[in-house]
Amino acid sequence: DAGVIQSPRHEVTEMGQEVTLRCKPISGHDYLFWYRQTMMRGLELLIYFNNNVPIDDSGMPEDRFSAKMPNASFSTLKIQPSEPRDSAVYFCASSLMGPYEQYFGPGTRLTVT
Amino acid sequence: GQQLNQSPQSMFIQEGEDVSMNCTSSSIFNTWLWYKQEPGEGPVLLIALYKAGELTSNGRLTAQFGITRKDSFLNISASIPSDVGIYFCAGRYSGAGSYQLTFGKGTKLSVIP
Repeated sequence: DAGVIQSPRHEVTEMGQEVTLRCKPISGHDYLFWYRQTMMRGLELLIYFNNNVPIDDSGMPEDRFSAKMPNASFSTLKIQPSEPRDSAVYFCASSLMGPYEQYFGPGTRLTVT
Repeated sequence: GQQLNQSPQSMFIQEGEDVSMNCTSSSIFNTWLWYKQEPGEGPVLLIALYKAGELTSNGRLTAQFGITRKDSFLNISASIPSDVGIYFCAGRYSGAGSYQLTFGKGTKLSVIP
């Protein structure tokens, strides 16, 4: 079975540009999570969805960040405008029937110059 | 927010040795999970624990949910080179209002052949 799919794997952009990260969760999973990982702060939960509905976005750092889940098989995380401090690895994870056993995608490494 | 203290931060061991790492919290957790992350990849779920005192194995890996519900440990027996990576503990504390997992900062394991 395919795992969580994320694209792109690497993104390099200039400050001020819009960045869109994409995620396809494991088929049948009803929870989807977006995380950010940095050396300083480790893994941080940004937002999570249940049945395509955003449940908790308290981890979203600023209004520049937004996330959508238009259907059960696709989610996006958008940063507009991007800043150098947004540079990090962004992970998408999904789980079935509860948030505990989360399965992570390979991540998108974002570099904002 | 809740914090998990994971130790040691890093360890260098000889191939064939056993490894032990642990995670502690000042709050009661009702779920503990252990993940492994290799360079350039997302964390991979190793073991999930749901009951105080629970001891669960996955091959050479064994993890336990502490009786106090404030700690968990992971043991790896007879280490091999492919055990190299960063091991993260994660948990949901009992006072959490949403389904958030808190992650430790990780234990970086190096295995010397």
